[in-house]
Amino acid sequence: GAVVSQHPSRVICKSGTSVKIECRSLDFQATTMFWYRQFPKQSLMLMATSNEGSKATYEQGVEKDKFLINHASLTLSTLTVTSAHPEDSSFYICSARGLGQPEDIQYFGAGTRLSVL
Amino acid sequence: GENVEQHPSTLSVQEGDSAVIKCTYSDSASNYFPWYKQELGKRPQLIIDIRSNVGEKKDQRIAVTLNKTAKHFSLHITETQPEDSAVYFCAASISGYSTLTFGKGTMLLVSP
Repeated sequence: GAVVSQHPSRVICKSGTSVKIECRSLDFQATTMFWYRQFPKQSLMLMATSNEGSKATYEQGVEKDKFLINHASLTLSTLTVTSAHPEDSSFYICSARGLGQPEDIQYFGAGTRLSVL
Repeated sequence: GENVEQHPSTLSVQEGDSAVIKCTYSDSASNYFPWYKQELGKRPQLIIDIRSNVGEKKDQRIAVTLNKTAKHFSLHITETQPEDSAVYFCAASISGYSTLTFGKGTMLLVSP
């Protein structure tokens, strides 16, 4: 299957700092990438959908100025949590689908555990 | 929008038993239904999927059934093994690059 790489795997930061998370498709071109947030023992909650070269589409209740998403190339999307606060602590996971892969299938990154002190 | 309900939330079985997880969806236009397995702290991995043009699909010990009329689909795992222990998520979407809507997950525990 296709490989999606996500970095970093773990971040611990002070309140008020910004954190950038990278999501890369390693062996295919990702026309669409998705960002999810997952709380302990809960499901995957879609935050936003990003298409290469266009602005991300955010789900209701997700602050676009808080969670900045950039999808500048067909293999890279970034999520920046700006001015992070303890309530932003969570597990963030990206996924990708795109060219050369079966339609509809999303391939997930390994996730980033963010802890804001 | 789409709403996916998943049951049970937890499921404990003995090794060798079968496990069944059920999901219902609300949008009759949905036609793609994947199942993901997520081990603790790891990425969700696609284990099987089904499209609305078939009623059943099987891959070794795993099978998925779909009832379009009733808008529900199920995951069946036979001859369970301890390594099957994980959280399983069902999802639904409309084919053609729409987003996936996930169920809340089922924690499966297989005891030796």
